[in-house]
Amino acid sequence: DAGVIQSPRHEVTEMGQEVTLRCKPISGHDYLFWYRQTMMRGLELLIYFNNNVPIDDSGMPEDRFSAKMPNASFSTLKIQPSEPRDSAVYFCASRLSLEESGYTFGSGTRLTVV
Amino acid sequence: GDSVTQMEGPVTLSEEAFLTINCTYTATGYPSLFWYVQYPGEGLQLLLKATKADDKGSNKGFEATYRKETTSFHLEKGSVQVSDSAVYFCALSDSQAGTALIFGKGTTLSVSS
Repeated sequence: DAGVIQSPRHEVTEMGQEVTLRCKPISGHDYLFWYRQTMMRGLELLIYFNNNVPIDDSGMPEDRFSAKMPNASFSTLKIQPSEPRDSAVYFCASRLSLEESGYTFGSGTRLTVV
Repeated sequence: GDSVTQMEGPVTLSEEAFLTINCTYTATGYPSLFWYVQYPGEGLQLLLKATKADDKGSNKGFEATYRKETTSFHLEKGSVQVSDSAVYFCALSDSQAGTALIFGKGTTLSVSS
């Protein structure tokens, strides 16, 4: 199992540009989560999906952020337009059902908006 | 809402010292509790977990006991190694309430030889 795969690992973009982060969860996992990590705020849950359906998006900071999960093996987090304060590490994680197993995290995407 | 509070870091220890990282939680339901570890440049990895009161989670010499009476889940290790240097996150999840993992701010551990 290759684990949760995120791309790109690093992204540097100019303010105002569109940014798309990608995630491939572990096959068979039916929950997918997007987190953002910053020094100031720690790890924040942005949104999570169950069976490709968004369940809780209350953590999405504003309308500039959107997330989709078109199928069980792929999800995207899009920021349009990007701003310097969006600079952070974005993690995707997946989990199997409602059992109390731990989440498996990807290696993250480090986003820098200049 | 549910929350997790960890001791502020950084924690700096010499090799073979005893480690305690405090974690307390607030939850309305009956959460499961977790410790995750993050090594530099990597994602978070599950270190150990406990799903009900008085359960003890353990892994790689680390232990934590789910104490409902004190709402705590402190992480301990009897003898740390340089390779244990990382950021440690306490987290809770209340599956009955349908919540995702809620993390503490993290505690940085630095172990010197």
